[in-house]
Amino acid sequence: NAGVTQTPKFQVLKTGQSMTLQCAQDMNHNSMYWYRQDPGMGLRLIYYSASEGTTDKGEVPNGYNVSRLNKREFSLRLESAAPSQTSVYFCASSEERHLEQYFGPGTRLTVT
Amino acid sequence: AQRVTQPEKLLSVFKGAPVELKCNYSYSGSPELFWYVQYSRQRLQLLLRHISRESIKGFTADLNKGETSFHLKKPFAQEEDSAMYYCALRTGNTPLVFGKGTRLSVIA
Repeated sequence: NAGVTQTPKFQVLKTGQSMTLQCAQDMNHNSMYWYRQDPGMGLRLIYYSASEGTTDKGEVPNGYNVSRLNKREFSLRLESAAPSQTSVYFCASSEERHLEQYFGPGTRLTVT
Repeated sequence: AQRVTQPEKLLSVFKGAPVELKCNYSYSGSPELFWYVQYSRQRLQLLLRHISRESIKGFTADLNKGETSFHLKKPFAQEEDSAMYYCALRTGNTPLVFGKGTRLSVIA
């Protein structure tokens, strides 16, 4: 099993450009999450999906949208990237709502 | 609101010395506490959870409800323990709340 996979690994965007970060898990988990990791700020939850068909805002949802495409996939979209969105983005999944989370390798995004 | 505080951004210890990574939380009910670790160039992974009361890689953590703390301890630090450590809190049916993390550096 690959666990949680994320694409791309690295991305550079210009201010105003859009992009979608992809996340997939092969563990048949119900819940999936998107976090951003910034120096000195730790991990902050952007959005989560407790189960297929549902999504909820986390601590820092502004500027992002998500889609739970099916049970395996949970994507994060930046419609108009801003330099403040420069960060490392992690996707995670858990078997049930908010139990032990398994993380992907991360996507390092730079917005210039 | 629930909050997790890790007061040290960076903790440097010598190899063989004891390690204590501090974690305090704010929640009046019965919490679930976790420690996650991120080694260099690796993904975050669960290190241990209070409910299982186990020792992983020599690390232990005890939940102290009176002091609302869940400090991570190891009697003898190893170089391979150098990593970023995150304390996390789960309350009821809400997502995990992570602290800001402590970077542990073990000096040879």
